[in-house]
Amino acid sequence: AQSVTQLGSHVSVSEGALVLLRCNYSSSVPPYLFWYVQYPNQGLQLLLKYTTGATLVKGINGFEAEFKKSETSFHLTKPSAHMSDAAEYFCAVSRRTTDSWGKFQFGAGTQVVVTP
Amino acid sequence: EAGVTQFPSHSVIEKGQTVTLRCDPISGHDNLYWYRRVMGKEIKFLLHFVKESKQDESGMPNNRFLAERTGGTYSTLKVQPAELEDSGVYFCASSQGTKPHTGELFFGEGSRLTVL
Repeated sequence: AQSVTQLGSHVSVSEGALVLLRCNYSSSVPPYLFWYVQYPNQGLQLLLKYTTGATLVKGINGFEAEFKKSETSFHLTKPSAHMSDAAEYFCAVSRRTTDSWGKFQFGAGTQVVVTP
Repeated sequence: EAGVTQFPSHSVIEKGQTVTLRCDPISGHDNLYWYRRVMGKEIKFLLHFVKESKQDESGMPNNRFLAERTGGTYSTLKVQPAELEDSGVYFCASSQGTKPHTGELFFGEGSRLTVL
């Protein structure tokens, strides 16, 4: 069975500082990997995904994540936090089978607070 | 283009009552997913429709939950009778296509269910 661990349920960052959100998965076969963001009163929005190819993935709003197979990790970063980045962030995985696309296992989520 | 819409946005019911949640996916999306987030826990997969057929309902908690997607358009999720532990936010998502690497999932804002 696969599982997803997000380190830290709440993270506070200063505006302009690095945002680093950690995600580790446990799976015998590397899964598809995703980061979603939920802004207040909105649905989840895809930030980025890793399916194949280059392990450094760039997403929307200046975010990027790197898949490290040896560390079973997919950490999310952004060099400089903006106030608008305040939201809850979810790491998710799905198995590499056709019928599992969209069947996500989510991490518990990390609430990001950005301080001036 | 309209996104995934869910209603009601919030429902408060007594234990033992029935509630029906509705999801309207993005037009033309064959895939429809239901997820649930119980307070303090991760978002969990409930089931997946492809058009009107249930592709995977392995996440449905028990037989008090009934999901339908008549005609392959909107979907309903009925909880009958509701129990306290059913409280949470129910998310619907839709995607186009069935091949891996494609078909980004678009999530609705969720329906918050409170069972008293």
